[in-house]
Amino acid sequence: AAGVIQSPRHLIKEKRETATLKCYPIPRHDTVYWYQQGPGQDPQFLISFYEKMQSDKGSIPDRFSAQQFSDYHSELNMSSLELGDSALYFCASSDGTGGHWTQYFGPGTRLLVL
Amino acid sequence: SQQGEEDPQALSIQEGENATMNCSYKTSINNLQWYRQNSGRGLVHLILIRSNEREKHSGRLRVTLDTSKKSSSLLITASRAADTASYFCATVQISSGSARQLTFGSGTQLTVLP
Repeated sequence: AAGVIQSPRHLIKEKRETATLKCYPIPRHDTVYWYQQGPGQDPQFLISFYEKMQSDKGSIPDRFSAQQFSDYHSELNMSSLELGDSALYFCASSDGTGGHWTQYFGPGTRLLVL
Repeated sequence: SQQGEEDPQALSIQEGENATMNCSYKTSINNLQWYRQNSGRGLVHLILIRSNEREKHSGRLRVTLDTSKKSSSLLITASRAADTASYFCATVQISSGSARQLTFGSGTQLTVLP
């Protein structure tokens, strides 16, 4: 079965650079979530989209923005990167017909900011 | 953790033994879910228990939920070395809106020794 695809899997950036992470949800899933997991930390919700509209916002810094496109893929744009942005970034998708309750996670993008 | 604590933080057992992990949360919830994460990898959904359920089984997994104590437990029976991973509980709050984001606990690192 198709899973959530994230790219790139690994990314190394310098401080103050920008990064774009991509997420391709499971086909026919209409909701995408982004989570950030710092080293040894639990995942923290950043932002979600339902039917290409922003649905909810969590602890996402103003330096970050995201959107969901017409094909339902989503991109997380991160600017003015800081050392503390080094983390695993997960995308998850869910199916609205099931009430969105179960989220299927991608393998994550590991971002290292030097 | 934004949600609460998981107990224990780390658990080491022998293959064939049972493993019990506990989770506490702070808010009123719609449902509680358990996820598994192999080191540095994606999160895999294990089981979902709704707020009006008290116990649920799935294969070697047994989950209980006590909403009066705002706590849940995950029991893995007849553990195997392949069960070695971090286990997170995550809650979905009651919401009149579209919010479905997961709020994660701090996780239990389970090591099953062969």
